[in-house]
Amino acid sequence: SYELTQPPSVSVSPGQTASITCSGDKLGDKNVCWYQQKPGQSPVLVIYQDSKRPSGIPERFSGSNSGNTATLTISGTQAMDEADYYCQAWDSSTALYVFGTGTKVTVL
Amino acid sequence: QVQLQESGPGLVKPSQTLSLTCTVSGGSISSGSYYWSWIRQPAGKGLEWIGRIYTSGSTNYNPSLKSRVTISVDTSKNQFSLKLSSVTAADTAVYYCARAGGVGATRYFFDYWGQGTLVTVSS
Repeated sequence: SYELTQPPSVSVSPGQTASITCSGDKLGDKNVCWYQQKPGQSPVLVIYQDSKRPSGIPERFSGSNSGNTATLTISGTQAMDEADYYCQAWDSSTALYVFGTGTKVTVL
Repeated sequence: QVQLQESGPGLVKPSQTLSLTCTVSGGSISSGSYYWSWIRQPAGKGLEWIGRIYTSGSTNYNPSLKSRVTISVDTSKNQFSLKLSSVTAADTAVYYCARAGGVGATRYFFDYWGQGTLVTVSS
């Protein structure tokens, strides 16, 4: 089955840039999206179609996808960005939505 | 603004069937072109897609759960439902309903989610 792998945790200082990777076989051939999930809350879409931001999502969130790796970048990270982040893709071979393993972002 | 709200028993006994309903407000579940999904998340763990139903009623299920899952829609009530049979403690999780678009690349992400409901499997 298709798998998406993320680092368990990423630490970043306020105002600095956080980069979260998502790895999967030929992931660059798929549409990748990213969700932010704060404790006790539902996931919120922050990036779709690799690099597009939904309305209301701050410009400091950006995404890219190439080869076997997709990346979510948070520029000028703020304390409010502390959360779990999940990548997600659609695996057409199995008709299955696949989520990444999740990354906890800590703003120190 | 579309809103989704899950409802159903918070406690289910082992071997029984888990039944949840997602009520959609702010739009008709049968208008437009959308996929309506169920997703779950065990405490402290990641997200797992369970299955989806299209506006037309066609369904797709996660192969790992397919033998136990049924998703249906009731357009008269603007709801879709999940049934998961023969549950065990491993099915204890927060269950979310969510919407994805039905055409082109909008099919590949979830733009609206419910708040989630915790279902515990225990005797």
